[in-house]
Amino acid sequence: NAGVMQNPRHLVRRRGQEARLRCSPMKGHSHVYWYRQLPEEGLKFMVYLQKENIIDESGMPKERFSAEFPKEGPSILRIQQVVRGDSAAYFCASSPPTGDWLGYTFGSGTRLTVV
Amino acid sequence: DQQVKQNSPSLSVQEGRISILNCDYTNSMFDYFLWYKKYPAEGPTFLISISSIKDKNEDGRFTVFLNKSAKHLSLHIVPSQPGDSAVYFCAAVRSGGSNYKLTFGKGTLLTVNP
Repeated sequence: NAGVMQNPRHLVRRRGQEARLRCSPMKGHSHVYWYRQLPEEGLKFMVYLQKENIIDESGMPKERFSAEFPKEGPSILRIQQVVRGDSAAYFCASSPPTGDWLGYTFGSGTRLTVV
Repeated sequence: DQQVKQNSPSLSVQEGRISILNCDYTNSMFDYFLWYKKYPAEGPTFLISISSIKDKNEDGRFTVFLNKSAKHLSLHIVPSQPGDSAVYFCAAVRSGGSNYKLTFGKGTLLTVNP
């Protein structure tokens, strides 16, 4: 049973380009959470999604960032017109339908570098 | 405004000795606390948790202590092993409507020397 799968593991983008980060939850998990870890910081909550629904996006920057979790396929975190300050590790976690946050399982993360 | 603080960026201990990692929080609404362990290039892995109705929770070599009045918790690892070398994150959550939203500290890098 594969864990939470994130790809790519590393992503390099030039300023102004778009970054797409993908997250496939564990089998049977329908809740997905995205966290961001800036250098020398702890992880910070960004967004909570269920299939086809954004439940809480209170941690998302107001501009350039969006997230989706379609009926089929992985969850996508999209960053438009990236800037150097977007360089960070982005972690996805998933949990079962009960929404039991003690069941948080994190993926290995995508390390985004903006040059 | 940092609601969960880990004031020691790093800690070094000898194999076989006790490791004590500390965490302070400011938000009195937090009522559940978790410790995560993170190796380089991997995601955080859940280690142990404690509810605010308890003051101690033990799991093998790992024990978490909670002092609600001081808003302080600590993770004890006894005996420490070289494989315990990792970054340890303290996280807190407020149960209820937003119980999925973890607030993390900045982490403490633990190095266990053979």
